[in-house]
Amino acid sequence: DTAVSQTPKYLVTQMGNDKSIKCEQNLGHDTMYWYKQDSKKFLKIMFSYNNKELIINETVPNRFSPKSPDKAHLNLHINSLELGDSAVYFCASSQERTQILYEQYFGPGTRLTVT
Amino acid sequence: LAKTTQPISMDSYEGQEVNITCSHNNIATNDYITWYQQFPSQGPRFIIQGYKTKVTNEVASLFIPADRKSSTLSLPRVSLSDTAVYYCLVGGSYTGGFKTIFGAGTRLFVKA
Repeated sequence: DTAVSQTPKYLVTQMGNDKSIKCEQNLGHDTMYWYKQDSKKFLKIMFSYNNKELIINETVPNRFSPKSPDKAHLNLHINSLELGDSAVYFCASSQERTQILYEQYFGPGTRLTVT
Repeated sequence: LAKTTQPISMDSYEGQEVNITCSHNNIATNDYITWYQQFPSQGPRFIIQGYKTKVTNEVASLFIPADRKSSTLSLPRVSLSDTAVYYCLVGGSYTGGFKTIFGAGTRLFVKA
């Protein structure tokens, strides 16, 4: 069974469109994340959700909106797509433990190409 | 948050021990050090985590000096399948939740 899954795996779309990426984890974790990996392979955290509440938003444009219907799902909706949004987006999850840095489990990634 | 610095790339041969060092001069008391491995077209995978001294698991060892301003990931007897990008990650619990910063990663290429 896949621990963290994302759909779609590839997404090609035109500038100005709105798109969503879905993420699901079956690990029972209470924290989920979205990361963006650009062409230079830098991994930057975008959002973190703990028990359906946003706890981190690393200065991401408000065109990006995470939605967490429940603990197991964290979807990423992107409005008015721009060329610079082209990247690989990774979903991850972890079990938050007090004072201890968590082990994150990453999904396979969604490669978004904006033309 | 502590920023990390790693070598951009390293080459090695099968069977050798590989040591990758990460600098994190501004590491905070709350911060732990974690290393991830990433293969092409896959998400990062957890390797090892530590706070101080030495940690060892079935795949790697992590050495952290007393001042914690750097850490070294040690991969014993690497094989071709260890060719990947290795990320050093520093972070911990802060007000509002956990925060982390991934380093730029070290591309390890293992040759036969």
